[in-house]
Amino acid sequence: KAGVTQTPRYLIKTRGQQVTLSCSPISGHRSVSWYQQTPGQGLQFLFEYFSETQRNKGNFPGRFSGRQFSNSRSEMNVSTLELGDSALYLCASSPGRRNSPLHFGNGTRLTVT
Amino acid sequence: DQQVKQNSPSLSVQEGRISILNCDYTNSMFDYFLWYKKYPAEGPTFLISISSIKDKNEDGRFTVFLNKSAKHLSLHIVPSQPGDSAVYFCAASQLLNAGGTSYGKLTFGQGTILTVHP
Repeated sequence: KAGVTQTPRYLIKTRGQQVTLSCSPISGHRSVSWYQQTPGQGLQFLFEYFSETQRNKGNFPGRFSGRQFSNSRSEMNVSTLELGDSALYLCASSPGRRNSPLHFGNGTRLTVT
Repeated sequence: DQQVKQNSPSLSVQEGRISILNCDYTNSMFDYFLWYKKYPAEGPTFLISISSIKDKNEDGRFTVFLNKSAKHLSLHIVPSQPGDSAVYFCAASQLLNAGGTSYGKLTFGQGTILTVHP
């Protein structure tokens, strides 16, 4: 079974621009969650989508948004990029049932200059 | 407000010996706990989990212990191997209240760097 696939692996953007990251979950998984990892804050939950609906959201500004498509693939968008948005963005998928572990992709490394 | 804490930033162990990684939590609503291993430039890899109705779960060389009264869990790796050298994260999740359900939100500790020496 193929794992969680995230594209692109690396991205360099300029302050003020916007960016879209993509995630393809494990086949059959209906839940996709997004996380931000930075040296200072560690792994922080952004949001979770299940069957195309956002069912949980972390404490991030509205510049961070996402969506999920009918095939469970998900995209995350960050608008008006700031230097502090430089981070590793991780996508995780799961069946969406209780006590099911999340399986992570290798992330997209975003650098904002 | 750090709800999941890994107080040891690093741990060094000899090959073949036991590695014990510790994690404390403060939120009594957490009901599912997980351990992940992470190599640089890769995403976290799921290792083992435990639900709050159990106090121990084993999978090969990995055993997780949960002490609910102390709000403490630990990961034992026996025997430790050089390939186990990585950053280990504990994580916790809770069933949301008020009718909402969400199993995709994990709260992570800050991680412990494990180094296993040959």
